[in-house]
Amino acid sequence: DTEVTQTPKHLVMGMTNKKSLKCEQHMGHRAMYWYKQKAKKPPELMFVYSYEKLSINESVPSRFSPECPNSSLLNLHLHALQPEDSALYLCASSHGMGRGSQPQHFGDGTRLSIL
Amino acid sequence: GQNIDQPTEMTATEGAIVQINCTYQTSGFNGLFWYQQHAGEAPTFLSYNVLDGLEEKGRFSSFLSRSKGYSYLLLKELQMKDSASYLCAVGGNQGGKLIFGQGTELSVKP
Repeated sequence: DTEVTQTPKHLVMGMTNKKSLKCEQHMGHRAMYWYKQKAKKPPELMFVYSYEKLSINESVPSRFSPECPNSSLLNLHLHALQPEDSALYLCASSHGMGRGSQPQHFGDGTRLSIL
Repeated sequence: GQNIDQPTEMTATEGAIVQINCTYQTSGFNGLFWYQQHAGEAPTFLSYNVLDGLEEKGRFSSFLSRSKGYSYLLLKELQMKDSASYLCAVGGNQGGKLIFGQGTELSVKP
């Protein structure tokens, strides 16, 4: 069990659907992250939120839209995804973003399949 | 550029000791992290080094030499459940961003 909770665990959607991934942490962490991970590859950073503000966007296509409603919650809104977007989507959190305020703790992920 | 190198695969025997090396060249340094990831699961944090030297946590130890851009993860008394991918990651200049190596797939054999 992890202290970062992600829902749903699995999601199958068509290319025209709109869905959202959710992430929640109650560790008082002020930095939250979205990663995408393909099989046998390391996680790739997508977005970073610090104190509920978007801090890093790694040139992610606009069909992925992050949202941080409060310090405990992070959403990833999905729309018009492509089959190559099928992957494991990981949420992580850390105390902050500066030196000494890591490490990042990961949720169990949402396995996303695009039909 | 940013580069992290670690072996792709390693095999070791149950009960033995294995050392997984990681070398890095990054813009800035805000710590080196080791994660364990079992197939189909999320990465689990193992260790964090920001100063030179050895950090020990039970059967797992991690070493860092910043001058050499080098770290290793040492796993003692290997168990079958230690079969997993081990990811080396460096915190660089851009706060919050971790640069991951490709991971080392460790197989523990009886």
